[in-house]
Amino acid sequence: AAGVIQSPRHLIKEKRETATLKCYPIPRHDTVYWYQQGPGQDPQFLISFYEKMQSDKGSIPDRFSAQQFSDYHSELNMSSLELGDSALYFCASSLERGAYEQYFGPGTRLTVT
Amino acid sequence: QKEVEQNSGPLSVPEGAIASLNCTYSDRVSQSFFWYRQYSGKSPELIMSIYSNGDKEDGRFTAQLNKASQYVSLLIRDSQPSDSATYLCAVNIWGIDSGAGSYQLTFGKGTKLSVIP
Repeated sequence: AAGVIQSPRHLIKEKRETATLKCYPIPRHDTVYWYQQGPGQDPQFLISFYEKMQSDKGSIPDRFSAQQFSDYHSELNMSSLELGDSALYFCASSLERGAYEQYFGPGTRLTVT
Repeated sequence: QKEVEQNSGPLSVPEGAIASLNCTYSDRVSQSFFWYRQYSGKSPELIMSIYSNGDKEDGRFTAQLNKASQYVSLLIRDSQPSDSATYLCAVNIWGIDSGAGSYQLTFGKGTKLSVIP
């Protein structure tokens, strides 16, 4: 079965640089979520999109923005990167705004130096 | 207090034994509950979902839900070394901080399970 696709899988950036993470949801899933997981932490919800509109926002810094495109893929844009942004970033997708299961992609490991 | 609480472990069980993982949550209106397995450096993998009170079995896994006690558990029978991982309890919470709203998963901190051969 098709799964969530994320790219790149690994990314190394320097402080104050910009990064863009991409997510391709499972076909026919209409909702995309972004989560951040720091070392030794549980995943934290950042933002979600339903039918290409932002549907909810969590603990996402103002330096981050995201959008969902007409083909339902989503991009997370991160600017003015800080050392503390180093983490695993997961995208998940679901049907019906997450009323049921959310399936996670493999993640992008971002390292800020 | 975190909305979803789990014993962080580590929980060690011998191969072939039953592993029991527990989780409590604070949001009384939550309707859907999940267990994810996460290997180190990998993404969370959904292994069980449960929506109504009682037990739900899938292979070696059994999830139990008691909404009155706000308690969810996961039993792993015939534990194998390959089951060694961190198990995350997650609760679906409706959020509408902006936009039309969606469910978002709130996770516990996870229980690290080690199955000893």
